[in-house]
Amino acid sequence: DGGITQSPKYLFRKEGQNVTLSCEQNLNHDAMYWYRQDPGQGLRLIYYSQIVNDFQKGDIAEGYSVSREKKESFPLTVTSAQKNPTAFYLCASSMSGTAPYGYTFGSGTRLTVV
Amino acid sequence: AQTVTQSQPEMSVQEAETVTLSCTYDTSESNYYLFWYKQPPSRQMILVIRQEAYKQQNATENRFSVNFQKAAKSFSLKISDSQLGDTAMYFCAFISNSGYALNFGKGTSLLVTP
Repeated sequence: DGGITQSPKYLFRKEGQNVTLSCEQNLNHDAMYWYRQDPGQGLRLIYYSQIVNDFQKGDIAEGYSVSREKKESFPLTVTSAQKNPTAFYLCASSMSGTAPYGYTFGSGTRLTVV
Repeated sequence: AQTVTQSQPEMSVQEAETVTLSCTYDTSESNYYLFWYKQPPSRQMILVIRQEAYKQQNATENRFSVNFQKAAKSFSLKISDSQLGDTAMYFCAFISNSGYALNFGKGTSLLVTP
């Protein structure tokens, strides 16, 4: 079945560490997205990519980095520069960048700083 | 800037009753798409319903329907015959034809009680 796979489901990070969240899709979608979800804040856009080898910053990109070397994959790295990384992270994809049919979402990764 | 506002952080409804969740948005564009997503306790995001702005007819999906008022920039979700499984966070989202990613509201937490 086609879908988006996020891993791991839970991730713990020590202070000063970089961690990478995985997002893989087999839907043949061109566009992929990373959102951060905090209580009472809704979903806030971190990065998006409308095509392979190209990506753009979203509203809260500071302290994060991404790559899009393959159409299927859009990993997110949370760097030590992100001061408050504890949150729920959602990856999504759409057929095209205009997303007229909305997104397909992964099941999320819960990141906790310990 | 295109913003989405959900003015009801929490709502409660009894089983079998009807409830309406509010959403307003701000845009200067005429062509866009609106969505309601459901996030149950599993945190998996599920598309409930979508509306194309150029269609005057309100979208309906089984027990879910919308009241789309383009001039008022309002997009409310009505859930009829509420079921316990409808308990979830509900997010309103918007994207214009020229947009690059969905803008989400902060969500409404809906509790369905027996």
